[in-house]
Amino acid sequence: GENVEQHPSTLSVQEGDSAVIKCTYSDSASNYFPWYKQELGKRPQLIIDIRSNVGEKKDQRIAVTLNKTAKHFSLHITETQPEDSAVYFCAATLYNNNDMRFGAGTRLTVKP
Amino acid sequence: NAGVTQTPKFQVLKTGQSMTLQCAQDMNHEYMSWYRQDPGMGLRLIHYSVGAGITDQGEVPNGYNVSRSTTEDFPLRLLSAAPSQTSVYFCASSPGTQNIQYFGAGTRLSVL
Repeated sequence: GENVEQHPSTLSVQEGDSAVIKCTYSDSASNYFPWYKQELGKRPQLIIDIRSNVGEKKDQRIAVTLNKTAKHFSLHITETQPEDSAVYFCAATLYNNNDMRFGAGTRLTVKP
Repeated sequence: NAGVTQTPKFQVLKTGQSMTLQCAQDMNHEYMSWYRQDPGMGLRLIHYSVGAGITDQGEVPNGYNVSRSTTEDFPLRLLSAAPSQTSVYFCASSPGTQNIQYFGAGTRLSVL
């Protein structure tokens, strides 16, 4: 099955700085890559996703890039704010498949 | 519109006991999934369903059973609880393959 690795496991940045989280996947047939944010004690919530026919997608301060050749994708958060502090999970799934595999998560701390 | 509702929120079991974690959604989603979340391991898929009467195994199905008799409900049964099943369990529903997943609030299970 698909295997997703996520780095770093923890990330601390100053408010206003950028944060980058990277994930690699093993199955070249994977074609859907969502990112979920989980605040402490809360449920995961989708923040952005990308499909394999797109190389980059942006939504305000958040962007995701995908390199299909290298089989990795990254989450970029610009102008970080304290409320961005959370655990972020990447995931990957194969075409027409509901078996979604998640990375182990990155705990982001934004210091005011 | 309640979204995805999980019950109970907390549960303590003794080794060998059985129980059912309930999950219901009111969004008429065909896809439903169960995940477990352990520290440092992200979300791991246990079982999923693509519609009433159809279920399939995920990454870590051993020790768990599911059924899907209606679109709304997707219960997870622990047949004989073991300490290794101590975890936080999340149910999720989705309008389709490779689409946003809506998570329930989670069930925190301890097996002694």
